[in-house]
Amino acid sequence: DIQMTQSPSTLSASVGDRVTITCRASQSINNWLAWYQQKPGKAPKLLIYKASILESGVPSRFSGSGSGTEFTLTISSLQPDDFAIYSCQQYSSHPWTFGQGTKVEIK
Amino acid sequence: EVQLLESGGGSVQPGGSLRLSCEASGFSFSTYAMNWVRQAPGKGLEWVSGISTSGYNTQYADSVKGRFTISRDNSKNTLYLQMNGLRVEDSAIYYCAKDGVATISFHGYFDYWGQGTLVTASS
Repeated sequence: DIQMTQSPSTLSASVGDRVTITCRASQSINNWLAWYQQKPGKAPKLLIYKASILESGVPSRFSGSGSGTEFTLTISSLQPDDFAIYSCQQYSSHPWTFGQGTKVEIK
Repeated sequence: EVQLLESGGGSVQPGGSLRLSCEASGFSFSTYAMNWVRQAPGKGLEWVSGISTSGYNTQYADSVKGRFTISRDNSKNTLYLQMNGLRVEDSAIYYCAKDGVATISFHGYFDYWGQGTLVTASS
């Protein structure tokens, strides 16, 4: 199975900050990577797929990059609505696997 | 508007069974692969199982293989997960998730999720 490792596990930031979350795969997944946002008590929401394609309706302050084994999710200017848990997911090969999540909290 | 509505969760003793359902609306159900993803309390997301559009091709996480069975009824726009031999470690919120691309088999990312149904296996 492909292991997905996110860093950091928790990130403290302020409104307006630029935030970067890293996701590493245990083997190459090309660009078959998605990012999700999850708020307490809610289902995950798709932000980005194929490593860098923004899902319709997602604000442009979110961006994704990377290929192979290393990927990043960047929020260019953190907004109050962005405090949440972010998870990456590989869909290169079954079983699809997720990272453990990164909690973005208020500094 | 795409909607996915799960039901069937509840509390059972270890070794027991439950059948989850996910009723879909707002899209052409028969043209998308579907999945179950779970999340234990305070933990990360874990993909559980997926099924192709026809139901012919199914995939399972090793942790549930041989105990869980995924199926679908395209005439009823409904996805199912039969869970047998439930273990304490199966306790989680179970989400139904729609594949992001209309394809015969699987594409792999999830563009719509249900609200989830809670399964608790405890003595």
